[in-house]
Amino acid sequence: DGGITQSPKYLFRKEGQNVTLSCEQNLNHDAMYWYRQDPGQGLRLIYYSQIVNDFQKGDIAEGYSVSREKKESFPLTVTSAQKNPTAFYLCASKKGVSDNSPLHFGNGTRLTVT
Amino acid sequence: DAKTTQPPSMDCAEGRAANLPCNHSTISGNEYVYWYRQIHSQGPQYIIHGLKNNETNEMASLIITEDRKSSTLILPHATLRDTAVYYCIVRENGGATNKLIFGTGTLLAVQP
Repeated sequence: DGGITQSPKYLFRKEGQNVTLSCEQNLNHDAMYWYRQDPGQGLRLIYYSQIVNDFQKGDIAEGYSVSREKKESFPLTVTSAQKNPTAFYLCASKKGVSDNSPLHFGNGTRLTVT
Repeated sequence: DAKTTQPPSMDCAEGRAANLPCNHSTISGNEYVYWYRQIHSQGPQYIIHGLKNNETNEMASLIITEDRKSSTLILPHATLRDTAVYYCIVRENGGATNKLIFGTGTLLAVQP
């Protein structure tokens, strides 16, 4: 089945540690996105990528980094510089950034930093 | 900023139609309306999208008013598994992001 896989589902880290969240898609989509969701709130865009080896900051990129070395993969690193890293992180993809195709989401990674 | 307005919550009896409204009064001519839903602790699921004509698929129907300033998502026979937060989204125009702005959505509670 085609889809987006995020791993792990739950992640626990100590404050001051960097942590990398995995996102893999086999939909042959060019565009990939990372969103953050806090309780009772909508989704906020962290980073997006239109094509391999290219990515752009979203609305809340500070304290995060990404890479896009392969079309299928778009890992997100939450660095120690992120002030409030505990959140639900969602990865998504779509065929292209500029077309009207819908976003496809993974099932998220819940990160808890103590 | 979110460009859509939705009621925070709605109830619906199981087996009845659920009609979820959305206001997008500032929508521009080439912006699509998208609907997603999110069940607790899962990723949002795409439901349907449209530009100006009414749309129907196996999940739902989308009715867009003639002036395009509002729309309604219709789940024809709601089940308990349809309990979720429903997001109405208008694609933001301009720039290269083409990003979707998610607001806080409508929590639909289907009652037995």
